[in-house]
Amino acid sequence: DSGVTQTPKHLITATGQRVTLRCSPRSGDLSVYWYQQSLDQGLQFLIQYYNGEERAKGNILERFSAQQFPDLHSELNLSSLELGDSALYFCASSVATGETQYFGPGTRLLVL
Amino acid sequence: AQSVTQLDSQVPVFEEAPVELRCNYSSSVSVYLFWYVQYPNQGLQLLLKYLSGSTLVKGINGFEAEFNKSQTSFHLRKPSVHISDTAEYFCAVSVTGFQKLVFGTGTRLLVSP
Repeated sequence: DSGVTQTPKHLITATGQRVTLRCSPRSGDLSVYWYQQSLDQGLQFLIQYYNGEERAKGNILERFSAQQFPDLHSELNLSSLELGDSALYFCASSVATGETQYFGPGTRLLVL
Repeated sequence: AQSVTQLDSQVPVFEEAPVELRCNYSSSVSVYLFWYVQYPNQGLQLLLKYLSGSTLVKGINGFEAEFNKSQTSFHLRKPSVHISDTAEYFCAVSVTGFQKLVFGTGTRLLVSP
């Protein structure tokens, strides 16, 4: 158990819908990262937040957005969902940028 | 931009045999290198990392990796595998510490009795 929690574990929704994935970092970690794992794209970095501020952006679609709240939990919002958004979404956290990233168990999203 | 190549998508091996999982990277600047393991239906767990210093890095569960700058490689090795080592192994690279990890496509290690 890494100490990073993600909810929900599984999510099934329809195309065009919007979902919110939640991540609680390890106690004391200020940095949160989001990754997408899909069969065709592999593991891709989406976005990073540090203490509430966006720090780095990767291959994140404009339909996706994220934020980190004052209590340091983070949410990843996915809108206008398409079939290709079906994937495993991981959250990771670290004490600070440049430190070891600890991964959560992931949220498996299925878009029908 | 950085990239990581894991040439072997799947490596079958018998229990107690040695194994090497290959990883090559591409970068125009100095890199940090990592190996993560993903057990079925679980998140990723850090096995080991190379930031600087000794090129031979020892990790958890008896794994080790050697950084070879001239060959731009960071192969993962274990002298004797167990059934429980069956998992997906990902090599990753970063040029800014851990800020943005670029992952390889993964190698599935299948250990059979």
